[in-house]
Amino acid sequence: AQTVTQSQPEMSVQEAETVTLSCTYDTSESDYYLFWYKQPPSRQMILVIRQEAYKQQNATENRFSVNFQKAAKSFSLKISDSQLGDAAMYFCAYRPPQGGSEKLVFGKGTKLTVNP
Amino acid sequence: GVVVSQHPSRVICKSGTSVKIECRSLDFQATTMFWYRQFPKQSLMLMATSNEGSKATYEQGVEKDKFLINHASLTLSTLTVTSAHPEDSSFYICSASWSGVLPDTQYFGPGTRLTVL
Repeated sequence: AQTVTQSQPEMSVQEAETVTLSCTYDTSESDYYLFWYKQPPSRQMILVIRQEAYKQQNATENRFSVNFQKAAKSFSLKISDSQLGDAAMYFCAYRPPQGGSEKLVFGKGTKLTVNP
Repeated sequence: GVVVSQHPSRVICKSGTSVKIECRSLDFQATTMFWYRQFPKQSLMLMATSNEGSKATYEQGVEKDKFLINHASLTLSTLTVTSAHPEDSSFYICSASWSGVLPDTQYFGPGTRLTVL
C-alpha cells in the first residue's frame, strides 16, 4: 500500500525567509500525482501545488515550488519570502494513476509557524 | 476558481438524532465526491467515495448504515449521520473531482463541525 511520510510535525520560519517542508512516499507505480495542500486555522483545505510524476520539471506556483526527486520518492515544498498568511498545516498527498483508485493518501501534516 | 460548498458549517445536535450535511460543487459537475473525517490535530481520514447515481464505496471500518451517503446529482452529495452519538463529534470535509482540466485533483469544501451532545 502507498504511504506518505512527513517527518517534520512542526516547522517555523521568519517572515520573508525561505522554508522547506519534507515529504517522502512509497509506491510501486511509475505514474502518479503528488499534491501539497494547505489547511489554515479556518480548516479549509487549499490546493497549493500539484505535480505529475511523469513530468521531470518541478512544479511552481508563485512563491511555492517543489523539489521532486522521483528515484528517491521525495517531494519537498519550498516556500520563498514567507508571509504571515502562510502559517497553516501543510499536507502532502499522493494519488495513484488514472484508471485506478482516485483516493488521496495523506501524510500526517506539518504545522508551519511564521514569525514576524 | 473551483468552488465546493458545504452546509451547514456548524451543527449541534442531541444524541440519537440524525444530521444531514450537504456538499455542492458550484461551478462544475463533479464526477466523484469524497467524504473525510478529521479529528483535532490529525490528518484527514477518508470515509467514503461516491459517484453520481451509484452506491458509495466505504472505507474499511466505516459503518455504511450509520454514515449514509447519497450522490443524487453531479453537483450534490449528502452525508447523513444517523442516530448520532458524542463519539461522532468531529470535523467532516467533502471534496470533489471532475473530468475537467485537472481530473486527478480534489477540491475541498470548507468543512462541517458536528457536535453531538
